[in-house]
Amino acid sequence: GAVVSQHPSRVICKSGTSVKIECRSLDFQATTMFWYRQFPKQSLMLMATSNEGSKATYEQGVEKDKFLINHASLTLSTLTVTSAHPEDSSFYICSAYLRLLNEQYFGPGTRLTVT
Amino acid sequence: AQSVAQPEDQVNVAEGNPLTVKCTYSVSGNPYLFWYVQYPNRGLQFLLKYITGDNLVKGSYGFEAEFNKSQTSFHLKKPSALVSDSALYFCAVSGPNYGQNFVFGPGTRLSVLP
Repeated sequence: GAVVSQHPSRVICKSGTSVKIECRSLDFQATTMFWYRQFPKQSLMLMATSNEGSKATYEQGVEKDKFLINHASLTLSTLTVTSAHPEDSSFYICSAYLRLLNEQYFGPGTRLTVT
Repeated sequence: AQSVAQPEDQVNVAEGNPLTVKCTYSVSGNPYLFWYVQYPNRGLQFLLKYITGDNLVKGSYGFEAEFNKSQTSFHLKKPSALVSDSALYFCAVSGPNYGQNFVFGPGTRLSVLP
């Protein structure tokens, strides 16, 4: 199956700093990528839909100024957590949509810990 | 709006025994249904999907799932469980925009005991 990578796999940062997470589709071009957040022992919650070349669509309750999403190319989307706080600590998972096969492929996730 | 329920937080089964992880859904129109597995600190791995056709869908690692329209269910099954099957299992549903706008169930933790 198609491969989606995320970098970094885990990151620890201090409160108030910003953190950037990269999501790459390694072997296909993805016009649409999705960002999810997963709290411990909970399901994935869709945060936003990232479309190449346009602004991301955020789910209700997700602060767009706090979670900046950029999808500048067909193989890369980035999520920047700005002015991170401990409550932003979570597991962030991206996925890339392969239109040709109508499939969604998930990255391995990034564990963010804000101290 | 679509929704997914997984009524069991935890399922325990002995190695070698059959396993079932339950899923029910609610969606307008024809459902697109998926099962994913997640190992600790890892992303989701695709197991199988139902779009149309045979109600019994076979997927990866010996798993299968049966689509039951009248009961709006899509239970995951495996004839003989392995200890390595122990993980977190998510059922998901997609609406008319197939492949997009996934709604995940809350997850079921499967423990296969040796």
